[in-house]
Amino acid sequence: GAGVSQSPSNKVTEKGKDVELRCDPISGHTALYWYRQSLGQGLEFLIYFQGNSAPDKSGLPSDRFSAERTGGSVSTLTIQRTQQEDSAVYLCASSITGLEAFFGQGTRLTVV
Amino acid sequence: AQSVTQPDIHITVSEGASLELRCNYSYGATPYLFWYVQSPGQGLQLLLKYFSGDTLVQGIKGFEAEFKRSQSSFNLRKPSVHWSDAAEYFCAVGLYNQGGKLIFGQGTELSVKP
Repeated sequence: GAGVSQSPSNKVTEKGKDVELRCDPISGHTALYWYRQSLGQGLEFLIYFQGNSAPDKSGLPSDRFSAERTGGSVSTLTIQRTQQEDSAVYLCASSITGLEAFFGQGTRLTVV
Repeated sequence: AQSVTQPDIHITVSEGASLELRCNYSYGATPYLFWYVQSPGQGLQLLLKYFSGDTLVQGIKGFEAEFKRSQSSFNLRKPSVHWSDAAEYFCAVGLYNQGGKLIFGQGTELSVKP
C-alpha cells in the first residue's frame, strides 16, 4: 500500500482480556518496528523485525507482550491479560533501509 | 546509554515569528538524527534527517535543522511559523548498529498564536 496501515485505529478492552493489534507495512520494506506512546513514558521502542532474522525484543515491557511477523510482511502485536497501564497509542513503522522509518497512524488502546 | 533531551515541553509563538526547538542527544558515535512532527490523532511524519555531510539540513514544510557535534545538538528552526505548524515535535536518534531503532525525546508541543 501507499503507507503503513494499522488496525484497529481505536480499541477499548476490559482489563484482563487479550488484544491483537495489526500492522501492514509499506510493500517491500524489510524492517518493521513497534513503538508505544504513553503520557508517562513518551515514545518507547518495543520490538524490531528485519527480514528473516530473529526479532529484537529488547523493548517489550513484560512477557504479556509478544509480536510476530508473518511472511515478512504483516505484523501482529499481542497483549495478553491487559492491564490499565497498557493504555497507550501503539505505533508501527517500516523501513527499507533500516535508517528512515515511516509510521502508521497508530492504534489507541484503552483498557477499562 | 543513548538519550535525547528536548528541554522545552511547550512553546508558544506568534504566527509569522521565527521558531527554534531545541534537541540535545547523548550517543557514543556519530548519530543519525531525525525530527518528526505529530498532529493530534495522527502518526509521526518525518520532517528531516541528518546522517552525514552538510550539518545544515533542509526538510519539508520550510523546516531546517543544524547538527552541532561540539554541543551534541540538533535544533530545529523555521523562519516564519504558520498556524498549521501547531503540533508536537519529536527529536530522535537512530541506532544504526541496532537495526535503526529510534530513541525519542519527550517532545515539544508547539502552539501558534494568531
